[in-house]
Amino acid sequence: EVQLVESGGGLVHPGGSMRLSCAASGFTFSRFWMSWIRQAPGKGLEWVANIKEDGSEKYYVDSVKGRFSISRDNAENSLYLQMNSLRADDTAVYYCARDFYFGTWGQGTLVTVSS
Amino acid sequence: DIQMTQSPPSLSASVGDRVTITCRASQGIDNYLAWFQQKPGKAPKSLIYGASNLQSGVPSKFRGSGSGTDFTLTITSLQPEDSATYYCQQYKYYSPTFGGGTKVEIK
Repeated sequence: EVQLVESGGGLVHPGGSMRLSCAASGFTFSRFWMSWIRQAPGKGLEWVANIKEDGSEKYYVDSVKGRFSISRDNAENSLYLQMNSLRADDTAVYYCARDFYFGTWGQGTLVTVSS
Repeated sequence: DIQMTQSPPSLSASVGDRVTITCRASQGIDNYLAWFQQKPGKAPKSLIYGASNLQSGVPSKFRGSGSGTDFTLTITSLQPEDSATYYCQQYKYYSPTFGGGTKVEIK
């Protein structure tokens, strides 16, 4: 069964940092682009970042450029999102997803940025 | 960035009805268009990719069509379990974008 499981969310103060993880199973992780997508409370979906199969290309939505960093470890079948200089408007459920068309999603992890 | 505009933002229909949701791209995206269903408190579920290809396990009551800038998602024989928010998403370029969503309610 193809599965993605996010972890690492929680409460963080404005200006703080947090690292999210996504554990993949049930497919050959190294053969797929991977993405992070977020959803603020009561709002729609927003793509955050994606990374090529071998990690050689990375793209970000403008609002997180310079603050967030996406990475992957194909040996560990894991995807990461390092989030620095967090702001209140980064508060959201963060999902990892497979492929450009997001055929598979994790269950999400909630990140709350608040003092 | 490509903007995706969905309409209507919400709709209410009866059991058995056919409903249509439209999605318009600000520039041509060929058929790089996906549709998702999201129920409250749950992760989105992929329904369609490539504008008209049904994901494995998705019932044929969901049909996608369109190419270029204009796309539609049609749900036939609406059932209570179809109550959800539906999103379109373009993936022609490395920076995907979503439509604002359409909330479907059952009368």
